[in-house]
Amino acid sequence: EAAVTQSPRNKVAVTGGKVTLSCNQTNNHNNMYWYRQDTGHGLRLIHYSYGAGSTEKGDIPDGYKASRPSQENFSLILELATPSQTSVYFCASGDVGRGRAETLYFGSGTRLTVL
Amino acid sequence: SQLAEENSWALSVHEGESVTVNCSYKTSITALQWYRQKSGKGPAQLILIRSNEREKRNGRLRATLDTSSQSSSLSITATRCEDTAVYFCATNTGANTGKLTFGHGTILRVHP
Repeated sequence: EAAVTQSPRNKVAVTGGKVTLSCNQTNNHNNMYWYRQDTGHGLRLIHYSYGAGSTEKGDIPDGYKASRPSQENFSLILELATPSQTSVYFCASGDVGRGRAETLYFGSGTRLTVL
Repeated sequence: SQLAEENSWALSVHEGESVTVNCSYKTSITALQWYRQKSGKGPAQLILIRSNEREKRNGRLRATLDTSSQSSSLSITATRCEDTAVYFCATNTGANTGKLTFGHGTILRVHP
Protein backbone atom coordinates (compact mmCIF):
# COMPACT_ATOMS: atom_id res chain seq x y z
CA GLU A 1 0.00 0.00 0.00
CA ALA A 2 1.08 3.55 -0.73
CA ALA A 3 3.05 5.24 2.03
CA VAL A 4 3.06 9.00 2.31
CA THR A 5 4.72 10.54 5.34
CA GLN A 6 4.33 14.15 6.41
CA SER A 7 6.38 16.11 8.89
CA PRO A 8 5.88 17.70 11.27
CA ARG A 9 2.49 16.43 12.48
CA ASN A 10 1.89 19.67 14.34
CA LYS A 11 3.43 23.09 13.94
CA VAL A 12 2.93 26.42 15.65
CA ALA A 13 4.35 29.42 13.80
CA VAL A 14 4.36 33.15 14.28
CA THR A 15 2.90 35.62 11.83
CA GLY A 16 5.52 36.64 9.30
CA GLY A 17 7.67 33.62 9.92
CA LYS A 18 8.73 31.04 7.35
CA VAL A 19 7.21 27.58 7.51
CA THR A 20 8.21 24.49 5.57
CA LEU A 21 6.00 21.42 5.49
CA SER A 22 7.62 18.24 4.22
CA CYS A 23 6.25 15.19 2.48
CA ASN A 24 7.94 11.95 1.51
CA GLN A 25 6.48 9.09 -0.53
CA THR A 26 8.03 5.68 -1.05
CA ASN A 27 5.86 4.49 -3.93
CA ASN A 28 7.70 5.97 -6.85
CA HIS A 29 4.59 7.90 -7.89
CA ASN A 30 5.14 10.66 -10.39
CA ASN A 31 2.51 13.02 -9.07
CA MET A 32 2.33 14.72 -5.71
CA TYR A 33 -0.18 17.19 -4.30
CA TRP A 34 -0.65 19.60 -1.43
CA TYR A 35 -4.18 20.22 -0.16
CA ARG A 36 -5.47 22.20 2.78
CA GLN A 37 -8.57 21.23 4.70
CA ASP A 38 -10.82 23.70 6.45
CA THR A 39 -14.24 23.18 7.94
CA GLY A 40 -16.91 23.78 5.33
CA HIS A 41 -14.48 23.76 2.42
CA GLY A 42 -13.41 20.17 2.08
CA LEU A 43 -9.95 19.80 0.58
CA ARG A 44 -8.58 22.49 -1.68
CA LEU A 45 -5.60 22.04 -3.97
CA ILE A 46 -2.67 24.39 -3.35
CA HIS A 47 0.18 23.10 -5.52
CA TYR A 48 1.01 19.90 -7.33
CA SER A 49 3.88 18.32 -9.21
CA TYR A 50 4.26 15.91 -12.09
CA GLY A 51 7.79 14.91 -11.18
CA ALA A 52 11.12 16.05 -9.83
CA GLY A 53 11.81 19.67 -10.65
CA SER A 54 8.22 20.49 -11.60
CA THR A 55 5.61 22.43 -9.65
CA GLU A 56 2.21 23.67 -10.77
CA LYS A 57 -0.28 26.04 -9.19
CA GLY A 58 -3.47 24.55 -7.90
CA ASP A 59 -6.71 26.32 -7.10
CA ILE A 60 -5.47 28.38 -4.11
CA PRO A 61 -1.72 28.97 -4.56
CA ASP A 62 -1.45 32.51 -3.21
CA GLY A 63 0.90 32.76 -0.24
CA TYR A 64 2.42 29.33 -0.88
CA LYS A 65 5.40 27.98 -2.77
CA ALA A 66 6.25 24.38 -3.52
CA SER A 67 9.45 22.49 -4.16
CA ARG A 68 9.95 19.03 -5.66
CA PRO A 69 13.67 18.27 -5.43
CA SER A 70 13.28 14.54 -6.01
CA GLN A 71 10.72 11.89 -6.92
CA GLU A 72 10.19 11.15 -3.22
CA ASN A 73 10.01 14.61 -1.67
CA PHE A 74 7.60 17.49 -2.05
CA SER A 75 7.64 20.53 0.24
CA LEU A 76 5.16 23.30 0.84
CA ILE A 77 6.67 26.63 1.84
CA LEU A 78 4.98 29.56 3.51
CA GLU A 79 7.47 32.41 3.18
CA LEU A 80 5.46 34.84 5.32
CA ALA A 81 2.93 32.91 7.35
CA THR A 82 -0.40 34.56 8.18
CA PRO A 83 -3.17 33.49 10.61
CA SER A 84 -5.42 32.76 7.60
CA GLN A 85 -3.06 29.91 6.75
CA THR A 86 -3.96 28.12 9.96
CA SER A 87 -5.29 24.82 8.68
CA VAL A 88 -4.64 21.13 8.27
CA TYR A 89 -2.41 20.36 5.31
CA PHE A 90 -2.41 17.08 3.45
CA CYS A 91 0.10 15.74 1.01
CA ALA A 92 -0.87 13.08 -1.50
CA SER A 93 0.79 11.05 -4.20
CA GLY A 94 -0.60 9.28 -7.21
CA ASP A 95 0.26 7.82 -10.56
CA VAL A 96 -1.96 8.37 -13.54
CA GLY A 97 -2.45 5.35 -15.72
CA ARG A 98 -2.83 5.73 -19.45
CA GLY A 99 -6.26 7.25 -19.98
CA ARG A 100 -7.22 6.39 -16.44
CA ALA A 101 -8.27 8.52 -13.54
CA GLU A 102 -5.91 8.57 -10.62
CA THR A 103 -6.18 7.29 -7.08
CA LEU A 104 -4.58 9.58 -4.52
CA TYR A 105 -2.81 8.28 -1.42
CA PHE A 106 -2.79 10.76 1.42
CA GLY A 107 -0.52 11.32 4.36
CA SER A 108 -1.89 11.82 7.86
CA GLY A 109 -1.72 15.59 7.69
CA THR A 110 0.10 18.48 9.36
CA ARG A 111 -1.86 20.74 11.66
CA LEU A 112 -0.48 24.26 11.32
CA THR A 113 -1.38 27.08 13.67
CA VAL A 114 -0.16 30.57 12.86
CA LEU A 115 -0.35 32.95 15.81
CA SER B 1 -18.93 27.53 -5.30
CA GLN B 2 -17.87 23.89 -5.05
CA LEU B 3 -17.67 21.95 -8.30
CA ALA B 4 -18.58 18.83 -6.34
CA GLU B 5 -20.54 18.69 -3.14
CA GLU B 6 -22.30 16.24 -0.91
CA ASN B 7 -25.96 16.94 -0.27
CA SER B 8 -25.84 16.46 3.51
CA TRP B 9 -23.48 17.85 6.12
CA ALA B 10 -24.16 15.08 8.62
CA LEU B 11 -25.96 11.76 8.89
CA SER B 12 -26.57 9.53 11.87
CA VAL B 13 -27.59 5.86 11.88
CA HIS B 14 -27.51 2.87 14.19
CA GLU B 15 -25.29 -0.13 13.63
CA GLY B 16 -26.73 -2.55 11.12
CA GLU B 17 -28.75 0.06 9.27
CA SER B 18 -28.06 1.18 5.71
CA VAL B 19 -27.20 4.73 4.75
CA THR B 20 -26.72 6.67 1.54
CA VAL B 21 -24.56 9.73 0.95
CA ASN B 22 -25.41 11.79 -2.11
CA CYS B 23 -23.18 14.01 -4.19
CA SER B 24 -23.82 16.44 -7.02
CA TYR B 25 -21.29 17.98 -9.35
CA LYS B 26 -21.27 20.79 -11.86
CA THR B 27 -18.82 19.94 -14.63
CA SER B 28 -18.21 17.21 -17.16
CA ILE B 29 -16.16 14.52 -15.49
CA THR B 30 -13.99 11.60 -16.47
CA ALA B 31 -14.48 9.86 -13.13
CA LEU B 32 -15.87 10.33 -9.66
CA GLN B 33 -14.24 9.01 -6.53
CA TRP B 34 -15.48 8.44 -3.00
CA TYR B 35 -13.05 8.88 -0.11
CA ARG B 36 -13.42 8.24 3.58
CA GLN B 37 -11.53 10.16 6.25
CA LYS B 38 -11.33 8.87 9.79
CA SER B 39 -10.44 11.14 12.68
CA GLY B 40 -6.79 12.21 12.63
CA LYS B 41 -6.07 10.53 9.29
CA GLY B 42 -5.89 11.51 5.67
CA PRO B 43 -8.63 10.53 3.21
CA ALA B 44 -8.53 7.03 1.76
CA GLN B 45 -10.19 6.04 -1.48
CA LEU B 46 -13.21 3.75 -1.30
CA ILE B 47 -14.47 3.58 -4.87
CA LEU B 48 -13.56 5.06 -8.24
CA ILE B 49 -16.36 5.08 -10.80
CA ARG B 50 -15.67 6.19 -14.36
CA SER B 51 -18.00 8.31 -16.44
CA ASN B 52 -19.01 5.33 -18.60
CA GLU B 53 -19.95 3.24 -15.56
CA ARG B 54 -23.26 3.37 -13.73
CA GLU B 55 -22.50 1.32 -10.63
CA LYS B 56 -19.48 0.03 -8.71
CA ARG B 57 -19.32 -2.16 -5.65
CA ASN B 58 -16.71 -2.72 -2.99
CA GLY B 59 -17.85 -5.09 -0.26
CA ARG B 60 -20.62 -3.35 1.70
CA LEU B 61 -20.22 -0.22 -0.39
CA ARG B 62 -22.09 0.58 -3.58
CA ALA B 63 -21.56 3.69 -5.66
CA THR B 64 -23.77 4.88 -8.48
CA LEU B 65 -23.18 7.54 -11.08
CA ASP B 66 -25.80 9.38 -13.13
CA THR B 67 -24.07 11.66 -15.62
CA SER B 68 -27.36 13.02 -16.95
CA SER B 69 -28.29 14.48 -13.56
CA GLN B 70 -24.63 14.98 -12.56
CA SER B 71 -25.07 13.09 -9.35
CA SER B 72 -23.61 10.14 -7.50
CA SER B 73 -24.48 8.17 -4.41
CA LEU B 74 -22.54 6.01 -1.99
CA SER B 75 -24.54 3.43 -0.09
CA ILE B 76 -23.26 1.50 2.90
CA THR B 77 -25.13 -1.57 4.05
CA ALA B 78 -24.93 -3.23 7.45
CA THR B 79 -23.14 -0.24 8.94
CA ARG B 80 -20.63 -0.68 11.74
CA CYS B 81 -19.33 1.76 14.34
CA GLU B 82 -16.01 1.82 12.49
CA ASP B 83 -17.80 3.33 9.46
CA THR B 84 -17.99 6.56 11.46
CA ALA B 85 -16.02 9.03 9.35
CA VAL B 86 -16.29 11.91 6.91
CA TYR B 87 -17.19 10.84 3.39
CA PHE B 88 -16.12 12.90 0.40
CA CYS B 89 -16.94 12.74 -3.25
CA ALA B 90 -14.25 14.01 -5.60
CA THR B 91 -14.29 14.52 -9.32
CA ASN B 92 -11.67 14.08 -12.01
CA THR B 93 -12.25 16.54 -14.80
CA GLY B 94 -9.54 15.56 -17.25
CA ALA B 95 -7.97 12.41 -18.54
CA ASN B 96 -4.49 11.62 -17.28
CA THR B 97 -4.69 14.15 -14.52
CA GLY B 98 -4.90 13.51 -10.83
CA LYS B 99 -6.35 16.88 -10.03
CA LEU B 100 -9.35 16.14 -7.89
CA THR B 101 -12.05 18.55 -6.78
CA PHE B 102 -13.44 17.53 -3.40
CA GLY B 103 -16.83 18.22 -1.90
CA HIS B 104 -17.14 19.57 1.63
CA GLY B 105 -17.76 16.11 3.05
CA THR B 106 -20.58 14.38 4.92
CA ILE B 107 -20.03 13.41 8.55
CA LEU B 108 -21.46 9.95 9.18
CA ARG B 109 -21.93 8.76 12.74
CA VAL B 110 -22.83 5.15 13.35
CA HIS B 111 -24.16 4.54 16.85
CA PRO B 112 -24.07 1.18 18.66
